[in-house]
Amino acid sequence: SQTIHQWPATLVQPVGSPLSLECTVEGTSNPNLYWYRQAAGRGLQLLFYSVGIGQISSEVPQNLSASRPQDRQFILSSKKLLLSDSGFYLCAWSQDLREAFFGQGTRLTVV
Amino acid sequence: GNSVTQMEGPVTLSEEAFLTINCTYTATGYPSLFWYVQYPGEGLQLLLKATKADDKGSNKGFEATYRKETTSFHLEKGSVQVSDSAVYFCALSEGSGAGSYQLTFGKGTKLSVIP
Repeated sequence: SQTIHQWPATLVQPVGSPLSLECTVEGTSNPNLYWYRQAAGRGLQLLFYSVGIGQISSEVPQNLSASRPQDRQFILSSKKLLLSDSGFYLCAWSQDLREAFFGQGTRLTVV
Repeated sequence: GNSVTQMEGPVTLSEEAFLTINCTYTATGYPSLFWYVQYPGEGLQLLLKATKADDKGSNKGFEATYRKETTSFHLEKGSVQVSDSAVYFCALSEGSGAGSYQLTFGKGTKLSVIP
């Protein structure tokens, strides 16, 4: 069966520090991968999606970037965090079934 | 572009009350429709789905019917329990080219069920 791992679960980082969140998927190949952010009191905002290795589409311009160095690995990064980057970050994967499967999320607090 | 509008919460109900969370959508084609649930501190889990008009998705006592004529996918449950307290997201999925399907989410509705 397929599983998705996302870490860390919680993270507190100072303003201006770098960020790296990692997501890996097991049990499937060539998945579509997504990063979402859920800010407090708001819905889900799609940040990035990827249909293959090295292929990244950005949905909103911002302080973040994403990379897909391997088929089942998706990384969310920032060189310098802002206070406004705080939120709950969710990684997800999908395939032909169209439904998405989510990781447990990372709670990021920028202080 | 695609969009999903769902009723804003929070919604507070007593145990065994009837639940309806409204959801309407705008899409260019024929999307699949979903309800996801998020329990506190966790990621999203698929609750139910419907892939074509008049389909009814159901799971754990929850139901939603894909109504193309009203572009709606309202979530219902006849008798809620305290354990149903969570945030519920309505979503649609449509192909965006190159084999990619994108999910568009509503803003979520927080449900609190009190004993």
